[in-house]
Amino acid sequence: GAVVSQHPSWVICKSGTSVKIECRSLDFQATTMFWYRQFPKQSLMLMATSNEGSKATYEQGVEKDKFLINHASLTLSTLTVTSAHPEDSSFYICSAERGGGNSPLHFGNGTRLTVT
Amino acid sequence: AQSVTQLGSHVSVSEGALVLLRCNYSSSVPPYLFWYVQYPNQGLQLLLKYTTGATLVKGINGFEAEFKKSETSFHLTKPSAHMSDAAEYFCAVTSPGYSTLTFGKGTMLLVSP
Repeated sequence: GAVVSQHPSWVICKSGTSVKIECRSLDFQATTMFWYRQFPKQSLMLMATSNEGSKATYEQGVEKDKFLINHASLTLSTLTVTSAHPEDSSFYICSAERGGGNSPLHFGNGTRLTVT
Repeated sequence: AQSVTQLGSHVSVSEGALVLLRCNYSSSVPPYLFWYVQYPNQGLQLLLKYTTGATLVKGINGFEAEFKKSETSFHLTKPSAHMSDAAEYFCAVTSPGYSTLTFGKGTMLLVSP
């Protein structure tokens, strides 16, 4: 069964509004979670690494003020897309590592964001 | 820095035919290699992984992959394609001690009856 739950699975919002996406590890504690963005017919691009109890580490080119990440507990990380624009429309996927280093990452089922 | 190249954005096979999805990697340190499958509008599911040990690794759904250091390759194969195998497949690489994955661009597998 799924070990990483992502919610919502899809969301439509208007330009200028903010959208929050949740990523939960269901039966394990994840000190580190990852947020990816996937454009149509393209690969996954790592946006940021979410660390429990500390600031997220953003990849180059990712606006930290636009994509707010909060990892408030060992089982929950949230990604908030602030002041969304149509170009933010994409498929966002989170992942979490179960266990120590080099354990396979478990992925959520993704969130399809459409900004109108 | 690490990178992954997946040859062929689309691969078409007939049901029952051999599946071969190619993956080449670049890494300055011994790599850990993964294959993931993604169905439409869903997340990624791990098919198999190579870390150390046996270079031929078997995964779920009858897939297997062989790590060839000399060729810097980690091709994914399945002897007989099934319609349910139609999906997008991603090869990924990381390094020992790291969790961040670098993905290839993906290969869409199309299976025809």
